[in-house]
This record gives sequence, C-alpha cells and structure tokens, in this order.
Amino acid sequence: SAVISQKPSRDICQRGTSLTIQCQVDSQVTMMFWYRQQPGQSLTLIATANQGSEATYESGFVIDKFPISRPNLTFSTLTVSNMSPEDSSIYLCSVGSGANQPQHFGDGTRLSIL
Amino acid sequence: AQTVTQSQPEMSVQEAETVTLSCTYDTSENNYYLFWYKQPPSRQMILVIRQEAYKQQNATENRFSVNFQKAAKSFSLKISDSQLGDTAMYFCAFLSGNNNDMRFGAGTRLTVKP
Repeated sequence: SAVISQKPSRDICQRGTSLTIQCQVDSQVTMMFWYRQQPGQSLTLIATANQGSEATYESGFVIDKFPISRPNLTFSTLTVSNMSPEDSSIYLCSVGSGANQPQHFGDGTRLSIL
Repeated sequence: AQTVTQSQPEMSVQEAETVTLSCTYDTSENNYYLFWYKQPPSRQMILVIRQEAYKQQNATENRFSVNFQKAAKSFSLKISDSQLGDTAMYFCAFLSGNNNDMRFGAGTRLTVKP
C-alpha cells in the first residue's frame, strides 16, 4: 500500500492562530480524505480533497475554518484556522486507491491549542 | 445514513487467549464493504482485515478472522492467540459500494494482559 507522510506529527499552538498540515503520498492516488479524531473518540470525516477543484465538506465543517488544497494526485494540505481549544484533536490524512477499496492512513497530527 | 455500532468500549484478554470484538451496522444497501482497523498508541490507523458483503466466506488474516452475518448486520472480529502487541483501539468501518462514504464505529479499547 501507499506510504503516507504527514507533517507535523504534533504541534502546540496559541488560540487564534492557524496551522497547515501536510499529507504527502509516495504514489498517485485517486482519493484523499481528512479526518478529525477528538480525544477518546472515533474518526469524523472533515472533507474529501479533490484534485483540481474545491474540497467536498461534511456537515458541520466549512471551508473558512478548514481550507483544503490538493494541487496534484500525491499531495494535500489541511489548514485549521483561527484555532480554539475545541480544535485540539488528532487530524488524520487518508488515501483511497479507488472505489470500494479500503483507506490507508497517515500517522496523524496531534494538535493542542492553549 | 449508515451507522456503525461497537457496543464494547473496553475489553481485556490474557496473552495467548482468544477474544471477540463485536460490531453491528445499519444500512439499506446491498453492496458494501466492512473493515477492521487497529490504532495502537502510536495512533497510526492500520487495516487489519476486510470483508466484501457479497462474499459468504468469512475473511481470515493469520490470527484475525471475522464472523460476518449479513442478515443480522453483524461483523465481529476474533483475535486468536492474543499478543501484547495487539493492545490497541479497534475500529469497525463500513464503506458504501455506491460512494466513497466510510463510517467508523466508536471503537473498542483492547488490552492484552501478560
């Protein structure tokens, strides 16, 4: 399966600031996704990152708060904007090689906001 | 919308013994896929096993096997000869065959005791 590198692995940020998380894949993939995992919780899909067009956001997530880029088939970024303590979570990038295929995940970014 | 339920927040098992984690799901679709993921403290999500809904035979991967009961919408994971390295959060996941929508259960925290 694809090797997925996510950076940074962790960060501590001040409230009101923004952080961009990068996801790099070692091969071209059809689909890339961003998830949030709040402490002790399951994964919640934030959005599907679409190459060459705007991301598709799930209910409860908006582009102004979580802008996403996907300039090509191997790279995507997620920005967490104007952060508050409620944004403290693990953010995970995943990739899918096609329809009906399992997703494979990066190591995640542990984000803490003070 | 599909829902995935894991009714066991925590479980423990003695090393070398067998444990079964339960998962039920709700869907009106006939074409779908089911997965179990493992998330150790390192937080990387690792695919353990997959099951296609159209297959009657239960999937097996070494010490991991599933009991897929389509009519009952049940998808349990059996871990045989448990090892200390099996200690992790385990997430059951449902993937629609009609779109890329993947839904996760709340997770079961498994502890393997020496």
